[in-house]
Amino acid sequence: EPEVTQTPSHQVTQMGQEVILRCVPISNHLYFYWYRQILGQKVEFLVSFYNNEISEKSEIFDDQFSVERPDGSNFTLKIRSTKLEDSAMYFCASRKEGFYNSPLHFGNGTRLTVT
Amino acid sequence: QKEVEQNSGPLSVPEGAIASLNCTYSDRGSQSFFWYRQYSGKSPELIMSIYSNGDKEDGRFTAQLNKASQYVSLLIRDSQPSDSATYLCAVSGSGGYQKVTFGIGTKLQVIP
Repeated sequence: EPEVTQTPSHQVTQMGQEVILRCVPISNHLYFYWYRQILGQKVEFLVSFYNNEISEKSEIFDDQFSVERPDGSNFTLKIRSTKLEDSAMYFCASRKEGFYNSPLHFGNGTRLTVT
Repeated sequence: QKEVEQNSGPLSVPEGAIASLNCTYSDRGSQSFFWYRQYSGKSPELIMSIYSNGDKEDGRFTAQLNKASQYVSLLIRDSQPSDSATYLCAVSGSGGYQKVTFGIGTKLQVIP
């Protein structure tokens, strides 16, 4: 069964550094998402992306965050200057186009630790 | 603010019993409803999706939807210790572009 793949599985960075989290969505999916989950908290929406542009973003997704689909397969989340509070599990997800009843399919996540 | 509410638990049930997990949502325009299972440190895994009022069964799992009451539930029959996990209720509008909003999740413990 096709799956969403994320790399790296764990990233440790120092406060103020830039990080790029990478995702390869399922090949026939056209809607892409980033979610994050701080330890013990809910899965929170960050941003959705369709047709090479952001379709929706949350209040969390400020100017420090950006997303890009640099080629036909990768989908990246960049955090420009990481803060301690960015430490979380980051999940990429994708969804089929045109089906109201299509669920999100999640990758295994990247655990980001900011020290 | 579109909210999805769940009791965080833990909900403890003996092995073989029925576990009942509940969820309410605030946005009356919601069209798609999902239950995900999340083991500690892992990503959410889809268990069930439901889109119309009533019950939907898949193996030991039954999802129930009542749009008038803005209520979704998940029943797990013959609960097994391997069912011990956090169950996330998730809700979205009808469009594929629309975000999916998650509840905090209910932690289920199945006692052998």
